[in-house]
Amino acid sequence: QEQLLQSASEVKKPGASVIVSCKASGYPLTGYYLNWVRQAPGQGLEWLGWINPSNGDTRYAQKFQGRVTLTRDTSTTTAYMDLSRLRSDDTALYYCARGGYSTSWYPDSFDVWGQGTMVIVSS
Amino acid sequence: QSALTQPASVSGSPGQSITISCTGTSSDIGTYNYISWYQYHPGKAPKLLIFDVSNRPSGVSNRFSGSKSGNTASLTISGLQAEDEADYFCSSYATSGTPYVFGSGTRVTVI
Repeated sequence: QEQLLQSASEVKKPGASVIVSCKASGYPLTGYYLNWVRQAPGQGLEWLGWINPSNGDTRYAQKFQGRVTLTRDTSTTTAYMDLSRLRSDDTALYYCARGGYSTSWYPDSFDVWGQGTMVIVSS
Repeated sequence: QSALTQPASVSGSPGQSITISCTGTSSDIGTYNYISWYQYHPGKAPKLLIFDVSNRPSGVSNRFSGSKSGNTASLTISGLQAEDEADYFCSSYATSGTPYVFGSGTRVTVI
């Protein structure tokens, strides 16, 4: 069964960084784009960026440029999202979600999602 | 604010049909057919229901259907069932900044 399993919830102080992991199982991580989206309390979803796990190429939303870094470890089939200089408005549920084939980018839908990781930023 | 506008809530009785709208602009829904719909039960992973406006992934009930007119996409749930009570959100490819924009979500209640 194709699954994405995310790391546990985190509580961080403003200014700190957080790393959320997303482990793929049941399919090859390198075969598909991996997207990250978030949902703040009472808000809609917001796209942060994607990584092509086959070659490490990334694209980030302009809003998060310079603060978010997406990486992957193909040996453990795990992708990571690193968000730095956290603010209170970064408090949100963060998801990883599978996109289309990694051979070429296409605005595919997200057909496999992780269960979400809650990140709370509070002093 | 979300880039795409959805009604906050829609309700219906078992067996009825309901339609959820998702309004965007000419930079997203109005121009592109890369529109998706997702079902979300709190605490669970979102589930893809519709992709490319009106296509259903394998395993998704044919009670779910999608369409588009102008800048508005729609999701129709026919033969409403108790298990359909969930949140639904839309998504579209966009050329106004980020490649993906999302709706604010609609809570469906089966009364």
